[in-house]
Amino acid sequence: NAGVTQTPKFRILKIGQSMTLQCTQDMNHNYMYWYRQDPGMGLKLIYYSVGAGITDKGEVPNGYNVSRSTTEDFPLRLELAAPSQTSVYFCASSYSPGRRKNEQFFGPGTRLTVL
Amino acid sequence: DQQVKQNSPSLSVQEGRISILNCDYTNSMFDYFLWYKKYPAEGPTFLISISSIKDKNEDGRFTVFLNKSAKHLSLHIVPSQPGDSAVYFCAASAAGAGTASKLTFGTGTRLQVTL
Repeated sequence: NAGVTQTPKFRILKIGQSMTLQCTQDMNHNYMYWYRQDPGMGLKLIYYSVGAGITDKGEVPNGYNVSRSTTEDFPLRLELAAPSQTSVYFCASSYSPGRRKNEQFFGPGTRLTVL
Repeated sequence: DQQVKQNSPSLSVQEGRISILNCDYTNSMFDYFLWYKKYPAEGPTFLISISSIKDKNEDGRFTVFLNKSAKHLSLHIVPSQPGDSAVYFCAASAAGAGTASKLTFGTGTRLQVTL
């Protein structure tokens, strides 16, 4: 199993550009999450999904959109990039409730810089 | 409002000695606590967890202690090894957070194990 994979690893955007961060997991997890980590800070939840077609906002959703058309994929969309979105983005997935539901498996991250 | 706090940004310990990493929380609804380990340029990796119905959980060299009355948990690593040098994040989740195990992270403690 590859686990959770994220592309790209690095990206530089200009203000106002848009992009999609890709996330794929091959563990058949129903639950998937997007976090951002700013320097010296913990991870903050942007959006999460409890299954295909179902998404919900986390703590810091403004400026982002998500979709979940399949169990495996959970892309994160930035429509109008702003310098405040410079961060490292982590995708994660987890089992359904009743099976170690709290343990999340993380991808390697995407480092995004907006100039 | 930081609901999960790791007040020590860094810690240096000699190889073979005990490392103690601390975490405090403010939300009484948190009922499950996790520690994640993160190496540079990688995603966080699950290390150990504890439910609020327990006060101790042990896994090899790693032990987590929970003091609910003080809203405090700690991670003990004995003996510390150079490969343990990483950033350690404390995270917490609440049963009332819906079906998804949304995690709230602390800001992390950088552990350096010296020879």
